[in-house]
Amino acid sequence: DAGVIQSPRHEVTEMGQEVTLRCKPISGHDYLFWYRQTMMRGLELLIYFNNNVPIDDSGMPEDRFSAKMPNASFSTLKIQPSEPRDSAVYFCASSETTTDTQYFGPGTRLTVL
Amino acid sequence: AQSVTQLDSQVPVFEEAPVELRCNYSSSVSVYLFWYVQYPNQGLQLLLKYLSGSTLVKGINGFEAEFNKSQTSFHLRKPSVHISDTAEYFCAVLGAGTYKYIFGTGTRLKVLA
Repeated sequence: DAGVIQSPRHEVTEMGQEVTLRCKPISGHDYLFWYRQTMMRGLELLIYFNNNVPIDDSGMPEDRFSAKMPNASFSTLKIQPSEPRDSAVYFCASSETTTDTQYFGPGTRLTVL
Repeated sequence: AQSVTQLDSQVPVFEEAPVELRCNYSSSVSVYLFWYVQYPNQGLQLLLKYLSGSTLVKGINGFEAEFNKSQTSFHLRKPSVHISDTAEYFCAVLGAGTYKYIFGTGTRLKVLA
């Protein structure tokens, strides 16, 4: 398996623009997680899905953030409108169960100017 | 609720010396514990995990950790480090019956020649 795939790897955009981050989890994994990593706040869980259904989105910072998982092999994290404070590395991870290993993608480095 | 504390933000150590990275947690329920490593510009990879059973857990790359329930700790150790161990190390806790990993703030291990 190719592992968790994220795209794009780098994104530079201007404040106010819409940003869409994409993730393809490992086939057969029922859980998908979106994290955000910054120097100030470390690694934060934004939202996770079980069998394509959002279970806990309490980590989503505000209404500008939304996430979807239309099928078992694809998820998106959207920020609209983006702000400079959204600049961070966003990771997607997947696992077979909640106590199993989480496999992380390489991350998307987002810079909002 | 669970929380994780990594007391050391940075640990410099000479090559072939032993190292211990500290992790303490708090939880009102039983926990599962994990150590992940992040190399520069990469996602996190699992080093080892404690789910149950023996409190001494061995992981990849010669690392091991010991679960100490009375001290609520899960310190990571390696008897002899290599330059290639230079990375950031994250401790994480998962409360039994919950689905949310709580990550520590990370410890940056720098191995010196």
